[in-house]
Amino acid sequence: GDSVTQMEGPVTLSEEAFLTINCTYTATGYPSLFWYVQYPGEGLQLLLKATKADDKGSNKGFEATYRKETTSFHLEKGSVQVSDSAVYFCALTINTDKLIFGTGTRLQVFP
Amino acid sequence: NAGVTQTPKFQVLKTGQSMTLQCAQDMNHEYMSWYRQDPGMGLRLIHYSVGAGITDQGEVPNGYNVSRSTTEDFPLRLLSAAPSQTSVYFCASSRTDGNQPQHFGDGTRLSIL
Repeated sequence: GDSVTQMEGPVTLSEEAFLTINCTYTATGYPSLFWYVQYPGEGLQLLLKATKADDKGSNKGFEATYRKETTSFHLEKGSVQVSDSAVYFCALTINTDKLIFGTGTRLQVFP
Repeated sequence: NAGVTQTPKFQVLKTGQSMTLQCAQDMNHEYMSWYRQDPGMGLRLIHYSVGAGITDQGEVPNGYNVSRSTTEDFPLRLLSAAPSQTSVYFCASSRTDGNQPQHFGDGTRLSIL
């Protein structure tokens, strides 16, 4: 079945370090891909999305490129801040509104 | 902007009790859904609805009921609470496009003793 696999956390970084959180997917069709972020005590918020191959989603300094050849949608940021500490979820949909989530990756950024 | 509102934020139940988790949205979204979030398992879909009067099961529907009598409201009912239902529950809504972002509530933390 369709699924999303994320790297396990926690990912621990110092402020201003480069961030990569890996995400790969398995899908029978052509999915739309999303990154959601969950700050402590809050619900999930959409961070960025890409709806077709080679699209790049970006927001708040984060980027992810839809790579069909490697079925990946890795999240990157050039310089993380303490305020980026959160749980990040990769997710997909295929021709429906039902989201399929990865297990989430906790990011901890220290000053 | 209220967005998606969930109540209550916290609840403790005894095994066998029933309760309803409330979810309301003010964005006129057709699609609404309920997820549960458990450590190491991400979010799993319980039930969803594509419009008033229409509901369907998600990945983990057992032990839960839903109804959608209005566009705005999508309550989740636990019929007879079990410790395995201890979790954080999130309601979400969106327009029905598949590419539209889902808007999430702040969650209900439920403990079953």
